Amino acid sequence: NAGVMQNPRHLVRRRGQEARLRCSPMKGHSHVYWYRQLPEEGLKFMVYLQKENIIDESGMPKERFSAEFPKEGPSILRIQQVVRGDSAAYFCASSPDIYTEAFFGQGTRLTVV
Amino acid sequence: KQEVTQIPAALSVPEGENLVLNCSFTDSAIYNLQWFRQDPGKGLTSLLLIQSSQREQTSGRLNASLDKSSGRSTLYIAASQPGDSATYLCAVIAGSNSGYALNFGKGTSLLVTP
Repeated sequence: NAGVMQNPRHLVRRRGQEARLRCSPMKGHSHVYWYRQLPEEGLKFMVYLQKENIIDESGMPKERFSAEFPKEGPSILRIQQVVRGDSAAYFCASSPDIYTEAFFGQGTRLTVV
Repeated sequence: KQEVTQIPAALSVPEGENLVLNCSFTDSAIYNLQWFRQDPGKGLTSLLLIQSSQREQTSGRLNASLDKSSGRSTLYIAASQPGDSATYLCAVIAGSNSGYALNFGKGTSLLVTP
């Protein structure tokens, strides 16, 4: 059973472009969480999804950011019209439910130039 | 909303020492608490999960305890080694008021010197 897979590992975008970050949860896991980590700062919750549903998006900026977790395929975090301040490491985690262990991917490091 | 605090923010100890990392949370109605380690530039590795009905969990040299009523957890590392150097993060999942997502503390940065 492969771990949580995130791709790409590194992504460079120019200001104004779109960034798409992908997360494939572990097999059997229907809960996905996205976090952002800025240098020297803690992990900030962005969004929590279950298959085809957004459960909690209270940590995600209202503009330019969106997330989905379709019935088939990976979860996608999409950032439109990126700005320098979006440069960060984005981590995805998955779990079978809220009671059991969550596992993290290796992250996508986004750099906006 | 759930607030998670970790003390100390940084810790440096010589190899072989036993040490304790502290985590406190404001909403005691948690489903579980999980400890992670993060190496520089890497993802998070799960260390221990404590269910809300449990008092402690052990894995090798690591022991984590949970006191829900006081909103505290401790991670005990026995006989520390240089390879234990990393940032240790505590996270809790609480109920509807806190959104059911993992809420993280800012971590304790541990350096174990040879």
